Amino acid sequence: DTEVTQTPKHLVMGMTNKKSLKCEQHMGHRAMYWYKQKAKKPPELMFVYSYEKLSINESVPSRFSPECPNSSLLNLHLHALQPEDSALYLCASSHRDRETEAFFGQGTRLTVV
Amino acid sequence: GESVGLHLPTLSVQEGDNSIINCAYSNSASDYFIWYKQESGKGPQFIIDIRSNMDKRQGQRVTVLLNKTVKHLSLQIAATQPGDSAVYFCAESPTGANNLFFGTGTRLTVIP
Repeated sequence: DTEVTQTPKHLVMGMTNKKSLKCEQHMGHRAMYWYKQKAKKPPELMFVYSYEKLSINESVPSRFSPECPNSSLLNLHLHALQPEDSALYLCASSHRDRETEAFFGQGTRLTVV
Repeated sequence: GESVGLHLPTLSVQEGDNSIINCAYSNSASDYFIWYKQESGKGPQFIIDIRSNMDKRQGQRVTVLLNKTVKHLSLQIAATQPGDSAVYFCAESPTGANNLFFGTGTRLTVIP
């Protein structure tokens, strides 16, 4: 199984809503990531978890809250988002010894209204 | 983040021809340089990487060249196929660890 599965595929939420994005992998990867990708732009790193601990937070606003419940799951909790937060949110994972080879999910297309 | 840019935003090639996608980077301290492919509606897919102590690495139908003197990276795709149509991103990793910085991207279109 070389898949990273993200749910939901699409999400529309209001600025007062609370929602969560979910990511799952069963490759035994101990590094997991959240990226944000705006249309026609490259992915931008948001968070990195290494062995279930947050190791990198790229100055992301607190309205985005990551969580890593176990080595296979990664969540991104969303609260009080702004329309400019609308984007494709990508989850990825990599093996500890091959971190340049990240496996990406298909992403969650988020629209904030 | 680091500054990784591409010379051309779009590239069209005939099926069967070779493709060359170029990338300029700014951080001479980067340890790894990586190419990713992103097809429409999908997440990026790893293609190949090269460490800073190498100048060439080959994979299946792909070759990555690194010129540290001019901070230039290129991806060569041999016998380009319609399935190669995608956006190609170069990325760099300053430490080889889990902090990839992606460049702007080049859209490759293969003409049948």
